[in-house]
Amino acid sequence: GNSVTQMEGPVTLSEEAFLTINCTYTATGYPSLFWYVQYPGEGLQLLLKATKADDKGSNKGFEATYRKETTSFHLEKGSVQVSDSAVYFCALDYGGATNKLIFGTGTLLAVQP
Amino acid sequence: KAGVTQTPRYLIKTRGQQVTLSCSPISGHRSVSWYQQTPGQGLQFLFEYFSETQRNKGNFPGRFSGRQFSNSRSEMNVSTLELGDSALYLCASSFLAATSTDTQYFGPGTRLTVL
Repeated sequence: GNSVTQMEGPVTLSEEAFLTINCTYTATGYPSLFWYVQYPGEGLQLLLKATKADDKGSNKGFEATYRKETTSFHLEKGSVQVSDSAVYFCALDYGGATNKLIFGTGTLLAVQP
Repeated sequence: KAGVTQTPRYLIKTRGQQVTLSCSPISGHRSVSWYQQTPGQGLQFLFEYFSETQRNKGNFPGRFSGRQFSNSRSEMNVSTLELGDSALYLCASSFLAATSTDTQYFGPGTRLTVL
């Protein structure tokens, strides 16, 4: 079946460090891939998405590239801030008549000043 | 545009009771999905409604049910509450264009505590 695997957290970084959160997926066909972020006590916010192979999603300094050959969608940011501290979820979805997100387990990021 | 709204934000119930949660999607969005988030199981899909019809259902017991109204607002109901139903319940809406992959936008969630 379809599934998403994320690296275990927590990830603890100092401010201005480089961030990578790994995400790989198992799916048939061509799903869309997403990164959502959840701040403490809040719901999920869409961070970025990519709908086909080699697409790069980007937002607020975060980037992720849809790599079909490695079935990966790793999240990166060149210089993290304390305000980036949150839980990050990788997800896949086929949309349309199967409008159902499948999430990874989430990765807690803690950025220290 | 206003975002997805969920009411109430917090709820405390006792075992055996039932509860109804409400979700108002983004204006113009026709699909509403519900997810349960717990520390142990993570984020799990409950069900999805489109045009007042349930199109997809996750692997949850029949105590979990939902409906969608003609204005796309949705409610979910949990009957005979169990301690394990304590969770954050998230609603998400999407436009569901037929020719493109949609994006789901989430509300802030309803935190349900079962005592």
